[in-house]
Amino acid sequence: DAKTTQPPSMDCAEGRAANLPCNHSTISGNEYVYWYRQIHSQGPQYIIHGLKNNETNEMASLIITEDRKSSTLILPHATLRDTAVYYCIVIVGYNYGQNFVFGPGTRLSVLP
Amino acid sequence: DTGVSQNPRHKITKRGQNVTFRCDPISEHNRLYWYRQTLGQGPEFLTYFQNEAQLEKSRLLSDRFSAERPKGSFSTLEIQRTEQGDSAMYLCASSLRQTATNEKLFFGSGTQLSVL
Repeated sequence: DAKTTQPPSMDCAEGRAANLPCNHSTISGNEYVYWYRQIHSQGPQYIIHGLKNNETNEMASLIITEDRKSSTLILPHATLRDTAVYYCIVIVGYNYGQNFVFGPGTRLSVLP
Repeated sequence: DTGVSQNPRHKITKRGQNVTFRCDPISEHNRLYWYRQTLGQGPEFLTYFQNEAQLEKSRLLSDRFSAERPKGSFSTLEIQRTEQGDSAMYLCASSLRQTATNEKLFFGSGTQLSVL
């Protein structure tokens, strides 16, 4: 079972920031938080990951709370092409395989 | 980097037939994963390889399913005696395992299987 809880759906206006929350209250000290997204009819795409520090790359920012029990993925200027299902996954870095569990994710709709 | 390639994109078969899917990973990637995804659900792990060794199999992988990765390059997933419940998207992913903390999976576009 997924170790994360995400809202099933969210809307965001085009050009605004999209903030996608994820709860992972049982996360352990050596587990990373990964975010992937899946655009319709495509395979999932890696976005970003982090352990405890906030992370930023060309796609998004990841904010992890100090107690690490929740995180937020931020798409700073959402476009229509960001409409997708976003998955938050917690995993020990060396233990991929069946422990890399995708939950149902959050369906983000970016509206014009 | 040509990405992960999966063939065919779509497969329609009759119940009881055997089907085989192929996955070509990104060339230098040493790990290859198979997932299954049904409508409205996230991908479910099936199995993965490191080079040619199959390291882990999910309990979802019944004995009708077999996967191979000869020579540690492309992989095939075969389903024997297909059932209607096998209808799903079958996704392949590959990764370059360099460190334990920075593994990223790159997915193909999947093979959509419909069993009639």
